[in-house]
Amino acid sequence: RKEVEQDPGPFNVPEGATVAFNCTYSNSASQSFFWYRQDCRKEPKLLMSVYSSGNEDGRFTAQLNRASQYISLLIRDSKLSDSATYLCVVNRAGAGSYQLTFGKGTKLSVIP
Amino acid sequence: SAVISQKPSRDICQRGTSLTIQCQVDSQVTMMFWYRQQPGQSLTLIATANQGSEATYESGFVIDKFPISRPNLTFSTLTVSNMSPEDSSIYLCSVELLQAGGNEQFFGPGTRLTVL
Repeated sequence: RKEVEQDPGPFNVPEGATVAFNCTYSNSASQSFFWYRQDCRKEPKLLMSVYSSGNEDGRFTAQLNRASQYISLLIRDSKLSDSATYLCVVNRAGAGSYQLTFGKGTKLSVIP
Repeated sequence: SAVISQKPSRDICQRGTSLTIQCQVDSQVTMMFWYRQQPGQSLTLIATANQGSEATYESGFVIDKFPISRPNLTFSTLTVSNMSPEDSSIYLCSVELLQAGGNEQFFGPGTRLTVL
């Protein structure tokens, strides 16, 4: 089983749609979880951290299910500017610092 | 946040040669990392660049192939040695900073390497 697994997509959705991405991770001892966004030919940038209680940032909602080792990202009211690859990221279990394991990413295209 | 620059931004190299990539940060940081992103693949951590001591390499990466320097808290280099076409990839440095919401990693713009 891969350490971090995501549906690669692509997800092609119309503007205004709601879209959800899922991610599973293999190491039950992982403690930190993130969603990063990577635009074409650009570096990854942190979109949001994922907390156990779930968290929301504007149109974006992240959920964590430790029992199922599952992370999700929900984007509401999609904008054209949301088109990017979304990377699910988990820290290395037991790492003293942030040694991160990245999923391959899910590509989103928002269509006018 | 941090402003991170990398040099070169891209290069095309011949098999068997070596390339040194530079990473410069606009502030002093404790933790710096080097990643690789091969075409269609996820980012993979190569090593943690430690200031004043040898880098800590991840499984599958060795110092002879990817020597790293970290002479101070704002600068690091990664060398890709004796290159082969399989080394064609984007190489990114990153730094960890303490932000309001916790530690966060910021990435440099990457160096796109093509080995012929």
